[in-house]
Amino acid sequence: DTAVSQTPKYLVTQMGNDKSIKCEQNLGHDTMYWYKQDSKKFLKIMFSYNNKELIINETVPNRFSPKSPDKAHLNLHINSLELGDSAVYFCASSSHWGTGINEQYFGPGTRLTVT
Amino acid sequence: AQKITQTQPGMFVQEKEAVTLDCTYDTSDQSYGLFWYKQPSSGEMIFLIYQGSYDEQNATEGRYSLNFQKARKSANLVISASQLGDSAMYFCAMREGPRSGGSNYKLTFGKGTLLTVNP
Repeated sequence: DTAVSQTPKYLVTQMGNDKSIKCEQNLGHDTMYWYKQDSKKFLKIMFSYNNKELIINETVPNRFSPKSPDKAHLNLHINSLELGDSAVYFCASSSHWGTGINEQYFGPGTRLTVT
Repeated sequence: AQKITQTQPGMFVQEKEAVTLDCTYDTSDQSYGLFWYKQPSSGEMIFLIYQGSYDEQNATEGRYSLNFQKARKSANLVISASQLGDSAMYFCAMREGPRSGGSNYKLTFGKGTLLTVNP
């Protein structure tokens, strides 16, 4: 069973469109994350949710809107896509702070290409 | 200032030899955690090893060990007996905190080192 899954794996779309990426984890974790990996492989946190509550929003344009319907799901909706949004988006999850080492488990990534 | 610095964009090692991947970090926190992740060409991120700032012994996980030098703020990854399957990007990351602002809920990554294992 996949621990952290993302759909779709590949997403090709045109500028100006709106798209969503879905993430689900079956690890029973409280905390979920979205990271963006750019073309130079640099990984940067975008959002973090703990128990469905947004706790980190790292100066991401408000065209990006995360939504956490429950602890196991964290979706990312992107409005008015721009060329610079092309990247690999990773979802991750971890146990609550203070329980173990809180390593983050990553999904397989979604490669978004905006044309 | 960068919080995580990986000075080696690329490294080469012969199969069966050991290799050290460098990582230095910058934080004023007393409590923090250091992680290494592997990203093969297939793209997934694989957790390898963790070192807590209060851990007195260097972490080890199979062929991976972490050379933690707290005073120098370095957390180098050592891979022993390299295998062809070790060829991948390796990322060092830090989690700071706890403190306000939720910083303990995010990892700050270095730019990575691309390791190539030669047969």
